[in-house]
Amino acid sequence: NAGVMQNPRHLVRRRGQEARLRCSPMKGHSHVYWYRQLPEEGLKFMVYLQKENIIDESGMPKERFSAEFPKEGPSILRIQQVVRGDSAAYFCASSPKEGEKLFFGSGTQLSVL
Amino acid sequence: GQQVMQIPQYQHVQEGEDFTTYCNSSTTLSNIQWYKQRPGGHPVFLIQLVKSGEVKKQKRLTFQFGEAKKNSSLHITATQTTDVGTYFCAGPSTGNQFYFGTGTSLTVIP
Repeated sequence: NAGVMQNPRHLVRRRGQEARLRCSPMKGHSHVYWYRQLPEEGLKFMVYLQKENIIDESGMPKERFSAEFPKEGPSILRIQQVVRGDSAAYFCASSPKEGEKLFFGSGTQLSVL
Repeated sequence: GQQVMQIPQYQHVQEGEDFTTYCNSSTTLSNIQWYKQRPGGHPVFLIQLVKSGEVKKQKRLTFQFGEAKKNSSLHITATQTTDVGTYFCAGPSTGNQFYFGTGTSLTVIP
């Protein structure tokens, strides 16, 4: 049973470009969470999704950021017109039920030049 | 909004010494989870506590949930170099997803 898969592991973008981060949850998991982490800092909640639904996006900036979890395929975190401040590690986690333990992917390290 | 604070932020110990990190929430928690993140790695689930006053042990690790369900602690006895990493507590919000604490970074000096 493969774990949570995130790709790419490293993503380099220039200011103004778009970044697309992908997350395939563990098999059988329908709950997906995205977190952002800066060096030496904690995990900041961004968004919580279930299949085809955004449940809680209170941690995600209103502009330039969007997330989806389609019926088929991975969850996508999309950042438009990236700025240097978007540079961070972005972790995805999944769980089989709401409130249960989270299984994390290896993360995507986004670097904006 | 909900806040989950951890102290200390950093802790350096000699190998063999004990270590404790404390987690405090601004609101009552239905349950609390603990995760460990090794340097350069991703968070890994350690344990979940649900009941008021609950104590659970995993080998040298002891986890405690406060009576008021607003605080928790993780105690490691006789630390080893494999214990190095950042320890996070995580508590559910009203939407039942988890906000993570600020974390305690543990360094073990051989």
